[in-house]
Amino acid sequence: GESVGLHLPTLSVQEGDNSIINCAYSNSASDYFIWYKQESGKGPQFIIDIRSNMDKRQGQRVTVLLNKTVKHLSLQIAATQPGDSAVYFCAEKRDAGGTSYGKLTFGQGTILTVHP
Amino acid sequence: DAGVTQSPTHLIKTRGQQVTLRCSPKSGHDTVSWYQQALGQGPQFIFQYYEEEERQRGNFPDRFSGHQFPNYSSELNVNALLLGDSALYLCASSLGWKNTEAFFGQGTRLTVV
Repeated sequence: GESVGLHLPTLSVQEGDNSIINCAYSNSASDYFIWYKQESGKGPQFIIDIRSNMDKRQGQRVTVLLNKTVKHLSLQIAATQPGDSAVYFCAEKRDAGGTSYGKLTFGQGTILTVHP
Repeated sequence: DAGVTQSPTHLIKTRGQQVTLRCSPKSGHDTVSWYQQALGQGPQFIFQYYEEEERQRGNFPDRFSGHQFPNYSSELNVNALLLGDSALYLCASSLGWKNTEAFFGQGTRLTVV
């Protein structure tokens, strides 16, 4: 789940299209998976989270899908708008146990560019 | 309602110096976490404070230390600065450490020359 490298994956879409951003995670013990949006010059902004015992959760224009079999998480954005352009990060969190609870472990970000 | 506020927004320091960054959590939040974000990478967890104690710590050397005050605000201190400490330092607050909805500040951009 640690982010790596300087070359982030990129996704370019047209305004109004649906966007799908993917994330692979490594820690099977994570209790929550969270998506954050980070615009240039700003801190990450919470979008949506999903508990590990769920496989789908919907929010406003966003849907998160969790496939624990292949350790894959995705964020679907419906009717993507130019204001959705940002870097998107997935993150993992454990409730308790061991020494890793309470902290967010971020994955590699994806740069989403929405063209008008 | 003010969100998470951090100060200063930008800072330039020389190698070997010490720096203190400050964070005021969102109103009502009692847990503060600090993250380091290098350019082009995701944030890396430094440590978390709850009830004025360091509860969790990431893989950062002892040069990185912190404090939480009774009003829940927090400071991050870095001693003996290295060039590699140049990064965006983010503060996140939440109501309790179990809450997944952490609110981040805009960060402090630290440049070490």
